[in-house]
Amino acid sequence: EAQVTQNPRYLITVTGKKLTVTCSQNMNHEYMSWYRQDPGLGLRQIYYSMNVEVTDKGDVPEGYKVSRKEKRNFPLILESPSPNQTSLYFCASSLWGGSSYNEQFFGPGTRLTVL
Amino acid sequence: AQSVTQLGSHVSVSEGALVLLRCNYSSSVPPYLFWYVQYPNQGLQLLLKYTSAATLVKGINGFEAEFKKSETSFHLTKPSAHMSDAAEYFCAVSLQAGTALIFGKGTTLSVSS
Repeated sequence: EAQVTQNPRYLITVTGKKLTVTCSQNMNHEYMSWYRQDPGLGLRQIYYSMNVEVTDKGDVPEGYKVSRKEKRNFPLILESPSPNQTSLYFCASSLWGGSSYNEQFFGPGTRLTVL
Repeated sequence: AQSVTQLGSHVSVSEGALVLLRCNYSSSVPPYLFWYVQYPNQGLQLLLKYTSAATLVKGINGFEAEFKKSETSFHLTKPSAHMSDAAEYFCAVSLQAGTALIFGKGTTLSVSS
């Protein structure tokens, strides 16, 4: 089954304790992206990657890191989480290339609480 | 820069009534436009997308949307609401492949019996 998986689905942590949220897709997609969803703000892009070893900042990158060492994986790293990073996080992936835009497939989400 | 405005953060309809969710975009070039749906505790699912092939776009679950360039709108409609349509709906815009989806703030649809 074609899908985007995220782990963990729920996480409660404390300020300053490094954490990683994993994202994996099995569709051989070039493009992967992380979004955060906050009430009343919709989804905002954190980072994206157009292929292996190619990453770039989205609209709200502060406090986050990413890496893309393999095509299928795109982990989101919070080196020193703070309470304002409490949010619902989504990973997404799509084919990329040419002039046509391809549908982004979303993972199920990771609900993060930073105390 | 492109942006998306969804009018109404909450829309309530009765079962069987018309559903109309409004989306206006701002873009200097013809955009790609999308509607996503998010059911409780789930990720986002694509309902439909406009990529300049046809102005009236039909999606899943009986939804459709019409691209109106003169009004910079891409409103989502469904002739008859079902209880199962209760969810949050997001309009999104992108200028081209390789750029971010810019999302509206979402509209929560409630359906009463």
